[in-house]
Amino acid sequence: DVKVTQSSRYLVKRTGEKVFLECVQDMDHENMFWYRQDPGLGLRLIYFSYDVKMKEKGDIPEGYSVSREKKERFSLILESASTNQTSMYLCASSSPHPGQPQHFGDGTRLSIL
Amino acid sequence: AQTVTQSQPEMSVQEAETVTLSCTYDTSENNYYLFWYKQPPSRQMILVIRQEAYKQQNATENRFSVNFQKAAKSFSLKISDSQLGDTAMYFCAFMGYNAGNMLTFGGGTRLMVKP
Repeated sequence: DVKVTQSSRYLVKRTGEKVFLECVQDMDHENMFWYRQDPGLGLRLIYFSYDVKMKEKGDIPEGYSVSREKKERFSLILESASTNQTSMYLCASSSPHPGQPQHFGDGTRLSIL
Repeated sequence: AQTVTQSQPEMSVQEAETVTLSCTYDTSENNYYLFWYKQPPSRQMILVIRQEAYKQQNATENRFSVNFQKAAKSFSLKISDSQLGDTAMYFCAFMGYNAGNMLTFGGGTRLMVKP
């Protein structure tokens, strides 16, 4: 089974801090994704990556950046955390073949105070 | 851009009964994929069922089946013999054929199965 591991399940940070959310997958997947989940809005794509050192903006990239230095690891960075970034963050990975499902981590519930 | 709409924010069903969750989507593409994901209170999102748009036959996975109406752009999920463990958020999602496996999600339906 695919395993996608997110480094923290709960995280509390302060406004203005630089925040790192880490995600690791063990299936050698090329594709990795970061979403934020908010009630009533479903999941919205922040950034995605098709390969090492490659990244593409999703629907809501403002205030975020990403890093993919190794194939198995995809990091989401909040450069200067703000209260409106309090949310659930989900990481996912998939193979590159068309139609293959994404596999998700457990999520990180991030609170910015 | 594609959009996915789940018109039922919350639903409930008695254990052992059948429930149908609605999903509609908007796209100009002819080939694509549709998914239902389940997110139990423990939070990990797991795949329930997948449908390929070029296949007319509705996908089924044990107690879960879909009613895929391509012309109507509708993709509903039917859960038969509901169990307490089916209590979860359910998300409908769209994937374009050449979209690099990106998903567009609906807003979700919270399903409560009552004993």
